[in-house]
Amino acid sequence: EAGVTQSPTHLIKTRGQQATLRCSPISGHTSVYWYQQALGLGLQFLLWYDEGEERNRGNFPPRFSGRQFPNYSSELNVNALELEDSALYLCASSLGQETNTEAFFGQGTRLTVV
Amino acid sequence: QKEVEQNSGPLSVPEGAIASLNCTYSDRGSQSFFWYRQYSGKSPELIMFIYSNGDKEDGRFTAQLNKASQYVSLLIRDSQPSDSATYLCAVNMNVGIQGAQKLVFGQGTRLTINP
Repeated sequence: EAGVTQSPTHLIKTRGQQATLRCSPISGHTSVYWYQQALGLGLQFLLWYDEGEERNRGNFPPRFSGRQFPNYSSELNVNALELEDSALYLCASSLGQETNTEAFFGQGTRLTVV
Repeated sequence: QKEVEQNSGPLSVPEGAIASLNCTYSDRGSQSFFWYRQYSGKSPELIMFIYSNGDKEDGRFTAQLNKASQYVSLLIRDSQPSDSATYLCAVNMNVGIQGAQKLVFGQGTRLTINP
């Protein structure tokens, strides 16, 4: 069974551009979480989607947005990129919001803003 | 108070000894708790989960949960150099929507096992 997959693995963008990151959850998982991890720092919660709806968002500006598609895959968009957006972006999936269940991570997308 | 707190370390333990990692959380209603291991430059890997008070053992790893004290820990017995990594504690926390929970991570504890 395939795990959580993220694309692309690496992404280099110029300041002011937009970045789109993609995540495919484990089959059967309806919840998708997005986290940002800057170099040497902890996981910062970005967004949480379940059953196609945004359930919660972290303390990030509105230029960080996303969506979840009917097949439960998800997209994270970052507009007007800034240098400090350079980080590893991690997606995790789990069975659902009302279930005591583990979350599994993809390999991440390393975004570099130059 | 942070939602999930961990000592950032670094925690240095000699090879073969027991490594003890600790975590406290703020939401008394939390029901599920997880430990992840993250090697440098890699994504977190789930190593243990615990839902009930007490101990849960899996190989060299033991997770301990005390809901009354809002405390969860991870013990690693017979520590190996390959256990050197950052260990992340994660807690499912209620977000106010009926039945909805959000997975919140601590900042992680960096563990080094010295040969």
